[in-house]
Amino acid sequence: NAGVMQNPRHLVRRRGQEARLRCSPMKGHSHVYWYRQLPEEGLKFMVYLQKENIIDESGMPKERFSAEFPKEGPSILRIQQVVRGDSAAYFCASGRDRATEAFFGQGTRLTVV
Amino acid sequence: DAKTTQPPSMDCAEGRAANLPCNHSTISGNEYVYWYRQIHSQGPQYIIHGLKNNETNEMASLIITEDRKSSTLILPHATLRDTAVYYCIVRVGRGNEKLTFGTGTRLTIIP
Repeated sequence: NAGVMQNPRHLVRRRGQEARLRCSPMKGHSHVYWYRQLPEEGLKFMVYLQKENIIDESGMPKERFSAEFPKEGPSILRIQQVVRGDSAAYFCASGRDRATEAFFGQGTRLTVV
Repeated sequence: DAKTTQPPSMDCAEGRAANLPCNHSTISGNEYVYWYRQIHSQGPQYIIHGLKNNETNEMASLIITEDRKSSTLILPHATLRDTAVYYCIVRVGRGNEKLTFGTGTRLTIIP
């Protein structure tokens, strides 16, 4: 059973471009969580999704950021018009349900130049 | 969620028990204590969680004081692969969303 797969592992974008980060949950998992880790800081919750629904997006910046988890395919975290402050490691986790253990992926390291 | 306080760093000799403390003096009755670790540049790994009683699994033991104001994570026989940043997190109820990761304790296992 493959773990949580995130791609790309590293992503470089110029200021103003769009970044699309993908997360394929573990087989049988329908709950996905996105976290962001800024340099030298702890992880911060961004959004919690269940298939086709956003359950909690209280940690998402109000502008430029969006997330989806379609019925088929991976969850996508989309950042429009990236700025240098978006440079961070973005981690996705998946779980079978809300309360049981969630497994994290290896993360996508976004660098905005 | 209650705030937690952890020492910034600790060393432990390989093969010995590593005891990582966490202070959560403002914890309320419905808040759980979770422990995660993050090995360099990887995604966090769940270790254990508890509410009131001590808990043990194949990775570690969690000892929660009777007043629940502090807890200790115990890795019984530390190996070099246990070198990581360990996060103690307190949250209302169970759930994987809105986990608040602080700066944690950087544990270094010494050969």
